[in-house]
Amino acid sequence: AQKITQTQPGMFVQEKEAVTLDCTYDTSDPSYGLFWYKQPSSGEMIFLIYQGSYDQQNATEGRYSLNFQKARKSANLVISASQLGDSAMYFCAMREGPREAGNNRKLIWGLGTSLAVNP
Amino acid sequence: EADIYQTPRYLVIGTGKKITLECSQTMGHDKMYWYQQDPGMELHLIHYSYGVNSTEKGDLSSESTVSRIRTEHFPLTLESARPSHTSQYLCASSELGALDEQFFGPGTRLTVL
Repeated sequence: AQKITQTQPGMFVQEKEAVTLDCTYDTSDPSYGLFWYKQPSSGEMIFLIYQGSYDQQNATEGRYSLNFQKARKSANLVISASQLGDSAMYFCAMREGPREAGNNRKLIWGLGTSLAVNP
Repeated sequence: EADIYQTPRYLVIGTGKKITLECSQTMGHDKMYWYQQDPGMELHLIHYSYGVNSTEKGDLSSESTVSRIRTEHFPLTLESARPSHTSQYLCASSELGALDEQFFGPGTRLTVL
């Protein structure tokens, strides 16, 4: 079973509008972390935002915010005021277990969502 | 700004050649990773390391090998390249005990003819 599910293979948004990229996850660990990465056509992976399972508030980083709904096991990325440069692949990833030196678990990746911003 | 470097950025070679993809990071991170990714597709972890002299195979079977003799250096080697090895290879590192946020290099796009 997929541990990270991104149900939208492709999304379109008009420039300056907001867009939500979906991510649901599956874990029985009470402690975990969720990440979003952006991959432009040039190929590099850029870290955007992080949400810990015990964080009380939704994470925000500039125009990026994470809509974290723990009971639904969803961690959707919201991009406000879309820009042409936001066109890219977006990956959701999860770390199971707590963030501590003894945790050697790897990140689990979703399949990605391709976002196209139209002028 | 992440300081992780990969060379070469692009490589086109013939079948049967031995190649080494270089990856170096200057952040002192203990953990390093190699991913393989076809265009527009998901990342597949092929190798990882949690420190010097530690290497493990990832979730996707790969004919490549890696070594970790120095903390900052994690090269990937293909003894005999084949067209099926054509892909993008991404190197990443993360700090032990931190968020596990992985910092990525720019990638190497490999084409085997």
